[in-house]
Amino acid sequence: DAGVTQSPTHLIKTRGQQVTLRCSPKSGHDTVSWYQQALGQGPQFIFQYYEEEERQRGNFPDRFSGHQFPNYSSELNVNALLLGDSALYLCASIGGDRGRPTDTQYFGPGTRLTVL
Amino acid sequence: AQSVAQPEDQVNVAEGNPLTVKCTYSVSGNPYLFWYVQYPNRGLQFLLKYITGDNLVKGSYGFEAEFNKSQTSFHLKKPSALVSDSALYFCAVRDKGFQKLVFGTGTRLLVSP
Repeated sequence: DAGVTQSPTHLIKTRGQQVTLRCSPKSGHDTVSWYQQALGQGPQFIFQYYEEEERQRGNFPDRFSGHQFPNYSSELNVNALLLGDSALYLCASIGGDRGRPTDTQYFGPGTRLTVL
Repeated sequence: AQSVAQPEDQVNVAEGNPLTVKCTYSVSGNPYLFWYVQYPNRGLQFLLKYITGDNLVKGSYGFEAEFNKSQTSFHLKKPSALVSDSALYFCAVRDKGFQKLVFGTGTRLLVSP
């Protein structure tokens, strides 16, 4: 158990709707990254949050946005859902127990999003 | 841009036999390399990493990986496979800028009894 939690576990939406996914990092971790894993593919980096700001972004449209709260938890928002947004969304937690960054990213169990 | 390649979609091995899952990388500087395992309907579990030092890295569940700079490879190995090792394995390289991980396409390992 990596200590990273995500909610909800599963979600079904229809095209055009909006969705919010949530992630709580491991205790003591201050950086959160989000990844999208389409069926049969490796995870693709969406963006990373540190100190409540987006620090790096992958090749995803502006429909994908996020937020980090003072307690380091994070949300991923996707607007105007498309069928192609159906995927497993993974959150990764980064950071040492004393706040120093480490090289290992610990992943949560993911949220399975289905867009109909 | 940094990238990794996993040339095998699937690897089949009998229980008790050694296993190897292949990974090659392409980076502009020193590579930071990782292996993760994914079981059905689960997130990614960290197995091991290479940052610097000894070319043979030992990780969780008896897995190890050999870093070979001349061949730009980071193959995952285990001396004796278990049926429970059957899963999807991902190799990844870290972007030195901000901890972004770039993943390969994954290799499915099937261990038969």
